[in-house]
Amino acid sequence: GIQVEQSPPDLILQEGANSTLRCNFSDSVNNLQWFHQNPWGQLINLFYIPSGTKQNGRLSATTVATERYSLLYISSSQTTDSGVYFCAVGSSGAAGNKLTFGGGTRVLVKP
Amino acid sequence: KAGVTQTPRYLIKTRGQQVTLSCSPISGHRSVSWYQQTPGQGLQFLFEYFSETQRNKGNFPGRFSGRQFSNSRSEMNVSTLELGDSALYLCASKVGQRERNEQFFGPGTRLTVL
Repeated sequence: GIQVEQSPPDLILQEGANSTLRCNFSDSVNNLQWFHQNPWGQLINLFYIPSGTKQNGRLSATTVATERYSLLYISSSQTTDSGVYFCAVGSSGAAGNKLTFGGGTRVLVKP
Repeated sequence: KAGVTQTPRYLIKTRGQQVTLSCSPISGHRSVSWYQQTPGQGLQFLFEYFSETQRNKGNFPGRFSGRQFSNSRSEMNVSTLELGDSALYLCASKVGQRERNEQFFGPGTRLTVL
């Protein structure tokens, strides 16, 4: 099946810093989503971005489908940005309709 | 529009028991998927239901089962619980069956097996 790798696994930032999280996937995808998992475990949708670039406030994301990677940018980080960020991809074919998740990037923003 | 809801939020069971978890999708969403999250294995797909039929199943033993009702609400059942079944169980819904559809997750049910 499709493989999803996220880097870095851990990230420590000073409040106000910028950062880039990366997601590599091993095959073509029809769906790519970025999530932020809050301390209570819920996955919060950040972006649905199988291709192209989107921005939402201090967050933006870019997916280059032909090169099989996606980037999530966090600008002017705040302590509330702390948590685990997941990339998940969906593909057609034998994999069926499911999301395959990466291992996540654990972000800690220090005041 | 209300989000995906899951009940109960927390559950403690003992080995050998069985458990049923419930998920109500976003209104108008007809596809419901279940995922298991553990520290060791991460987030793994359990199964997907659409129009009351299981459309896809992950690599889990037969002790894990589910169903979907005509109102799109879904339940998953785990029989003969094992310690390793302790996990956060997440339910997700989307509009249709297509893999392109964006999925939205509920708050999860945290199951502890003693």
